[in-house]
Amino acid sequence: EAGVAQSPRYKIIEKRQSVAFWCNPISGHATLYWYQQILGQGPKLLIQFQNNGVVDDSQLPKDRFSAERLKGVDSTLKIQPAKLEDSAVYLCASSKPGQGENEQFFGPGTRLTVL
Amino acid sequence: DAKTTQPTSMDCAEGRAANLPCNHSTISGNEYVYWYRQIHSQGPQYIIHGLKNNETNEMASLIITEDRKSSTLILPHATLRDTAVYYCIVRVKQAGTALIFGKGTTLSVSS
Repeated sequence: EAGVAQSPRYKIIEKRQSVAFWCNPISGHATLYWYQQILGQGPKLLIQFQNNGVVDDSQLPKDRFSAERLKGVDSTLKIQPAKLEDSAVYLCASSKPGQGENEQFFGPGTRLTVL
Repeated sequence: DAKTTQPTSMDCAEGRAANLPCNHSTISGNEYVYWYRQIHSQGPQYIIHGLKNNETNEMASLIITEDRKSSTLILPHATLRDTAVYYCIVRVKQAGTALIFGKGTTLSVSS
């Protein structure tokens, strides 16, 4: 079974520029999560989708961050404009509702550096 | 905020058992204890979870105290590939529940 795919793996941008990250979850996984992981800290949830609907975006800085999952499969996370403090690893995860362990499967992440 | 407390770092010799403690004194009756680990430059990986009974799988064992206020993850024969950050998380076992991570324990396994 293929895992969660993310691209790009690395991105370097100047502050005030825009950037987008892409995530392809495991086939059949209806729930998709985006986490932000700042160096030295654990991942923090940004947004959670159930199919193509938003379940929780309470910690998403909506003035600069946006995310979508139009067809209930792939998802994109965008930052516009980026700030220095957005430098982090952005992790995508997916899970299958009803699965016994409720295990979340994570992608390798996108490492963003804002200069 | 995370509801768990873990040591910042631990060391273990290769081939020995690694015992990683976690305190979760405010755990609710319907919350499970989950463990994930994150190897360098990878996303977190599920290890094991439990409610009140001890659990074992091919990766590790989970020992939960009778009062459920603390637990220990045991890697019976640590290898160099077990070097990672280990996260202890308490959460309800409900589909679609997000994970709340703390800072975890950095386990360093050396030869």
